[in-house]
Amino acid sequence: EAGVAQSPRYKIIEKRQSVAFWCNPISGHATLYWYQQILGQGPKLLIQFQNNGVVDDSQLPKDRFSAERLKGVDSTLKIQPAKLEDSAVYLCASSSNRLAGGETQYFGPGTRLLVL
Amino acid sequence: AQKVTQAQTEISVVEKEDVTLDCVYETRDTTYYLFWYKQPPSGELVFLIRRNSFDEQNEISGRYSWNFQKSTSSFNFTITASQVVDSAVYFCALSEAQYSGGGADGLTFGKGTHLIIQP
Repeated sequence: EAGVAQSPRYKIIEKRQSVAFWCNPISGHATLYWYQQILGQGPKLLIQFQNNGVVDDSQLPKDRFSAERLKGVDSTLKIQPAKLEDSAVYLCASSSNRLAGGETQYFGPGTRLLVL
Repeated sequence: AQKVTQAQTEISVVEKEDVTLDCVYETRDTTYYLFWYKQPPSGELVFLIRRNSFDEQNEISGRYSWNFQKSTSSFNFTITASQVVDSAVYFCALSEAQYSGGGADGLTFGKGTHLIIQP
């Protein structure tokens, strides 16, 4: 079974530019998450999707970050315009049907973003 | 609000020693899930274990074991006979799952413990 796929793996941009990250979850996984991991810290949830609907975006800086999962499969996270403090690893995770709650989340390899 | 504390920032041991990584959590929910993930230098988070709040049985998987104690809100992780390949950052995480369906269950992570196994 293929894991969570993310691209690109690395991205370097200048501040005020825009950037987009792509994630394809494990096949059949209804729930998709985006996390931000700043160097030396644990990941922090940005947004959670259930199919193509947003479940939780309370920690997403909505003035510059946006995310979508239009067809309920793959997802895109965008930053516009980027700031220096957005330098981090962006992790995508997915989990299976949520009837049981607290399902295990499986993570992709992440996208390392450096904002200069 | 939920919180996970991993007080040990870095631990360094010699190969074959046993090592315990501490995790203390805070939650007001009675139903929750606890997780441990491993993050090797490659950066990908690798799932190790999931435990729900109603199951306090300790678990052993090879050289790994976990001790869940609700009385002290702790979920500690022990590696027996450590090996160099165990070197990584280990994260403890908490999810306040919603049984109503469609609820938010994003993970709250601790800051991680960097484990260094010296040959």
